[in-house]
Amino acid sequence: DTGVSQDPRHKITKRGQNVTFRCDPISEHNRLYWYRQTLGQGPEFLTYFQNEAQLEKSRLLSDRFSAERPKGSFSTLEIQRTEQGDSAMYLCASSLSHNTDTQYFGPGTRLTVL
Amino acid sequence: KNQVEQSPQSLIILEGKNCTLQCNYTVSPFSNLRWYKQDTGRGPVSLTIMTFSENTKSNGRYTATLDADTKQSSLHITASQLSDSASYICVVTPYGNNRLAFGKGNQVVVIP
Repeated sequence: DTGVSQDPRHKITKRGQNVTFRCDPISEHNRLYWYRQTLGQGPEFLTYFQNEAQLEKSRLLSDRFSAERPKGSFSTLEIQRTEQGDSAMYLCASSLSHNTDTQYFGPGTRLTVL
Repeated sequence: KNQVEQSPQSLIILEGKNCTLQCNYTVSPFSNLRWYKQDTGRGPVSLTIMTFSENTKSNGRYTATLDADTKQSSLHITASQLSDSASYICVVTPYGNNRLAFGKGNQVVVIP
């Protein structure tokens, strides 16, 4: 499978716990994006990387959220001290940095905070 | 206010029938407009992409149109199939940056 992959697909955690998600982009893609999507809404931008550099972060990305892409390949998104409001689908996408810049999405990680 | 508005929010159609989904946007200037299909519990998959100078783009039974003057786009589904049941999201890329503007999606349910 040469598409974007995410792990885990589902995560259930208790409020206050830390969680970490992983995204593996399409191998030749240098841009990687994280989004959050709640039921009935479109994806909301969280942050994006070009290679290993985190170039932009949304105000939605509170200090409890941190994302890394240490070698410019896979990325991790960590949420510390989870809250019930963090329950959502977390989507990762990757793209090449050219004009059309189509973003290819992974299957998402469904987070449920109890 | 959301920069991309879609209508109807949801619709139910009989298998084999056609339907048209609407997208109105305020993003200006923009580089391109895409329609994505998102199956329940999955990530969005790109269906069509149109630059500001294109008026129509087809992908099988899906045909997207774009009127950059009125800032409207539509997605037409021909001869719907049960597998067309999904959310269809209109996405606009602002010119000069890659912060995509997403609509909330049109939820389509195809029934036999």
